[in-house]
Amino acid sequence: DQQVKQNSPSLSVQEGRISILNCDYTNSMFDYFLWYKKYPAEGPTFLISISSIKDKNEDGRFTVFLNKSAKHLSLHIVPSQPGDSAVYFCAASKAAGNKLTFGGGTRVLVKP
Amino acid sequence: GVTQSPTHLIKTRGQQVTLRCSSQSGHNTVSWYQQALGQGPQFIFQYYREEENGRGNFPPRFSGLQFPNDSSELNVNALELDDSALYLCASSPRSSDTGELFFGEGSRLTVL
Repeated sequence: DQQVKQNSPSLSVQEGRISILNCDYTNSMFDYFLWYKKYPAEGPTFLISISSIKDKNEDGRFTVFLNKSAKHLSLHIVPSQPGDSAVYFCAASKAAGNKLTFGGGTRVLVKP
Repeated sequence: GVTQSPTHLIKTRGQQVTLRCSSQSGHNTVSWYQQALGQGPQFIFQYYREEENGRGNFPPRFSGLQFPNDSSELNVNALELDDSALYLCASSPRSSDTGELFFGEGSRLTVL
């Protein structure tokens, strides 16, 4: 039972344009939603998170949107840069610091 | 940050392996994840104050320890081919506004 799903395995975008990554979840008990970025041969790096009491959180070029009724979240990266090329994972937990349930990842390629 | 050792290792089926992790300073919760090729990380277990504090869907041959200095070990007995994966250690403080877990770079295990 895959509780967190990222239905797009890959995304290609031109430098300077917007990257939109999507994630769906099934467990209504999830309270925190996080996005991680991963380069090859490195561990996942935290990007941004949102708690279930909010519907939007911004940090620089990164914005996460949460639609609880649809059990859907998205990550917007504006403007996209070549250094953003990596695999992005969404993850969810029932409490801050609790175990994370990850999606399968979306590989983003930003073309110069 | 979170450091893990060894970075790479090769074992044969049936052998045993121990992976090590040093948590980030001030973090008292450590968790372990298995990331198979092309998939998102999967939760193995979490430790808080040297006690197991949650376990994922992994068999008992996966075991762990957390030490008073918040370092940790993951032990896997009777290795199987499917245990080949990247093993990630993550640490976190007991309470967090963001829910962020801090990941190490991982130990890549190959079972032949």
